Amino acid sequence: EDKVVQSPLSLVVHEGDTVTLNCSYEVTNFRSLLWYKQEKKAPTFLFMLTSSGIEKKSGRLSSILDKKELFSILNITATQTGDSAIYLCAVDFTGNQFYFGTGTSLTVIP
Amino acid sequence: DAGITQSPRHKVTETGTPVTLRCHQTENHRYMYWYRQDPGHGLRLIHYSYGVKDTDKGEVSDGYSVSRSKTEDFLLTLESATSSQTSVYFCAISAERDYGYTFGSGTRLTVV
Repeated sequence: EDKVVQSPLSLVVHEGDTVTLNCSYEVTNFRSLLWYKQEKKAPTFLFMLTSSGIEKKSGRLSSILDKKELFSILNITATQTGDSAIYLCAVDFTGNQFYFGTGTSLTVIP
Repeated sequence: DAGITQSPRHKVTETGTPVTLRCHQTENHRYMYWYRQDPGHGLRLIHYSYGVKDTDKGEVSDGYSVSRSKTEDFLLTLESATSSQTSVYFCAISAERDYGYTFGSGTRLTVV
């Protein structure tokens, strides 16, 4: 059965730390992978990854995909309290819909 | 937010009553989705639409129906609400099939 697994489930760090969030998938016919940030309301889009080895970057956030080893990582450097959120990973392997992992809850304490 | 609104934002209803949630978009996107989000399960797809009157089931479609009579509106109906349908429901839109989604702000539904 196809599935998407995120780790760790939760993480508590201090401001200024660097964190790495993981998303592994066991799917056939991989098409693309998405990262979202969810604070109190709707998930907001961070990155879409389709090609292996190409890093996507936005400010202190970056992400990379390894299609051979079937995983993606999301890095956040110099974390701030505003980075506290649930980070969601989703994978498209059907061409019709994305399947989401259960998310990683990140808490950044001052 | 970003041309997608959900209504109502909150609803409490009794077991066995019908409930309809509405998703309205102003982006003219072809694809619309209904997800539910529950602790320990993440976001799970209920139904999606790939055009007016064109819909298909997701992984948790039992007990739900949808309709899309106009590009901008996608309705989710619980014919007879059950306590297991207590959840936060998100609508999402995308311009193309494998583009990223834009989510609405969610509807918190409680079935008592």
